[in-house]
Amino acid sequence: QVQLQQSGPGLVKPSQTLSLTCAISGDSVSSNSVAWNWIRQSPSRGLEWLGRTYYRSNWYYDYAASVNSRMTISPDTSKNQFSLQLNSVTPEDTAVYYCVRYHHSSRWFDPWGQGTLVTVSS
Amino acid sequence: DIQMTQSPSSLPASVGDRVTITCRASQSISNYLNWYQQKSGEAPNLLIYAASSLQGGVPSRFSGSGSGTDFTLTISTLQPEDFATYYCQQSNSLPFTFGQGTRLEIK
Repeated sequence: QVQLQQSGPGLVKPSQTLSLTCAISGDSVSSNSVAWNWIRQSPSRGLEWLGRTYYRSNWYYDYAASVNSRMTISPDTSKNQFSLQLNSVTPEDTAVYYCVRYHHSSRWFDPWGQGTLVTVSS
Repeated sequence: DIQMTQSPSSLPASVGDRVTITCRASQSISNYLNWYQQKSGEAPNLLIYAASSLQGGVPSRFSGSGSGTDFTLTISTLQPEDFATYYCQQSNSLPFTFGQGTRLEIK
């Protein structure tokens, strides 16, 4: 059974960097049949896909246009995890952040991490 | 980006009712449409994928249909544990997008 365990701070100051990590058990971050995603949820924006990384002999990355210039997803094969960094945050980045596995063949998101509420405030 | 529009936004219903939630895509997405259930304080949980395929472990009272731009999620006989928020999501193209949600609430 695949499980995703998120970690990271719940409070970030404006203009600073939001950093979260997602530890994977039951699968490999280097699996060639899935992608590893970050999705956030807020009352104002609903569920918003932010970006993904996946391995197909090389590492690939896709980001939503809304965060493209500020976001980096980094896989860590030694720890079997992946991370999110979002720079220059504002209060509009306040949301629950989820790490999620995406199955390329079935085109679904499952499972989801437990979610991390990140508040951007001074 | 493909816009996903759900209706209604909220749906009062009673245990035992049959309910239907609709989801419309702003352009054709073939059958690349998934449905998720989210209970308060929890992450979304996959119910239906590819518009009409039931995820393992999901009760058979849930069903999905549609293709192209119009999709429906039906719960045949509402149970108390079904009161939650439901989201559709398209996997046809990046960026993946979600509907705004339908809150199923007790009448």
